[in-house]
Amino acid sequence: SYELTQPPSVSVSPGQTARITCSADALPKNYAYWYQQKPGQAPILVIYKDSERPSGIPERFSGSSSGTTVTLTISGVQAEDEADYYCQSADSSATSAYVIFGGGTKLTVL
Amino acid sequence: QVQLVQSGAEVRNPGASVKVSCKASGYTFTSYHMHWVRQAPGQGLEWVGVVNPSTGRTSYAQKFQGRVTMTRDTSTSTVYMELSSLTFDDTAVYYCARDVDGFDPWGQGTLVTVSS
Repeated sequence: SYELTQPPSVSVSPGQTARITCSADALPKNYAYWYQQKPGQAPILVIYKDSERPSGIPERFSGSSSGTTVTLTISGVQAEDEADYYCQSADSSATSAYVIFGGGTKLTVL
Repeated sequence: QVQLVQSGAEVRNPGASVKVSCKASGYTFTSYHMHWVRQAPGQGLEWVGVVNPSTGRTSYAQKFQGRVTMTRDTSTSTVYMELSSLTFDDTAVYYCARDVDGFDPWGQGTLVTVSS
């Protein structure tokens, strides 16, 4: 098993770029996924397979990967982007599956 | 549209069990695994386990082994998660989520409160 580490908080002003990192502490790193969660709501998927964007997610959301660190980038941050963001990864074998989440990052739009 | 609708909030005493349902619609139920994830008040997301609606095969997080059972009813496109021997630490919102290479969508969540 391994852990995913995220910064607890990130703050940016509207229109700036927010970058949220997620680091795995062991290899191999599998694909990462990102979720946005606003207070009182269920999470929604904003990035899958490190850098793919689901339909309906604004183009300002992007993902990238380098080594065992993945990054969620929000370009031109808007007030509505204020939320908690979670990275997630998974591993599986023929007999079991294992899913882990990062601890979450609270994005504050100043 | 794809939708996951969960059962309503539950209150249980310590030591009791709870069973939460998640009814799927808008897609072929047996084509995608269904996961359960929980979130304690003010805390992050925690994976509980997964069920394959086609075969009924399950895989649980080690933390919940022996205490959780996930099942499915293909006739009603519903998956269930039962958690037994509840403690105060099990108080959380429990979500089901469809696995389409990423969890999407999620159910609306079911609040389970363990209280004496």
